[in-house]
Amino acid sequence: AQTIHQWPVAEIKAVGSPLSLGCTIKGKSSPNLYWYWQATGGTLQQLFYSITVGQVESVVQLNLSASRPKDDQFILSTEKLLLSHSGFYLCAWSLAGNSDYTFGSGTRLLVI
Amino acid sequence: AQSVTQPDARVTVSEGASLQLRCKYSYFGTPYLFWYVQYPRQGLQLLLKYYPGDPVVQGVNGFEAEFSKSNSSFHLRKASVHWSDWAVYFCAVSMWSAGNKLTFGIGTRVLVRP
Repeated sequence: AQTIHQWPVAEIKAVGSPLSLGCTIKGKSSPNLYWYWQATGGTLQQLFYSITVGQVESVVQLNLSASRPKDDQFILSTEKLLLSHSGFYLCAWSLAGNSDYTFGSGTRLLVI
Repeated sequence: AQSVTQPDARVTVSEGASLQLRCKYSYFGTPYLFWYVQYPRQGLQLLLKYYPGDPVVQGVNGFEAEFSKSNSSFHLRKASVHWSDWAVYFCAVSMWSAGNKLTFGIGTRVLVRP
């Protein structure tokens, strides 16, 4: 069975500090991977997607970056957090050519 | 560009009553449409999905949705609401030609009165 795991579950970070959020998918090879961000009380915005290892496309510019170092791993990061980075970050996967997304349980980030 | 409109930010319903959540989409072509639910402080779960075919699709937990091409709509329904349906519901549309990007509406928060 496929599983998607996000870490950490929650973070409280200071403005200007670095951030790294992780996502691992097990049980599927070569999935499409996605990062979504949800501001408190808001909708979900796609930030990045990746269809293969080493290739990441940016959808929305939020002073964040993403990398896919392995087939089953997707990392979201920044060197300097802003207050506006607070929110809920969701990782998702789908099969190539398929619109069925499966979401992780998310990471809640508070920047203070 | 594809877009989704959920006109109701919040809906309050009594337990046992019926529920309808509205969703209108804008898309050139035949869309793939989805309803997701987000329970308090949790991730997203898929309720149901529409791929071209039968316009009425059944989902989990007694939910169903009806696709209407003429109205560009994909409304979600449930005959009898339970307290556990207290959540935020997101309608989404997918455009397969753009890397299957899933575009979400703003969500409708459902509050259930006992």
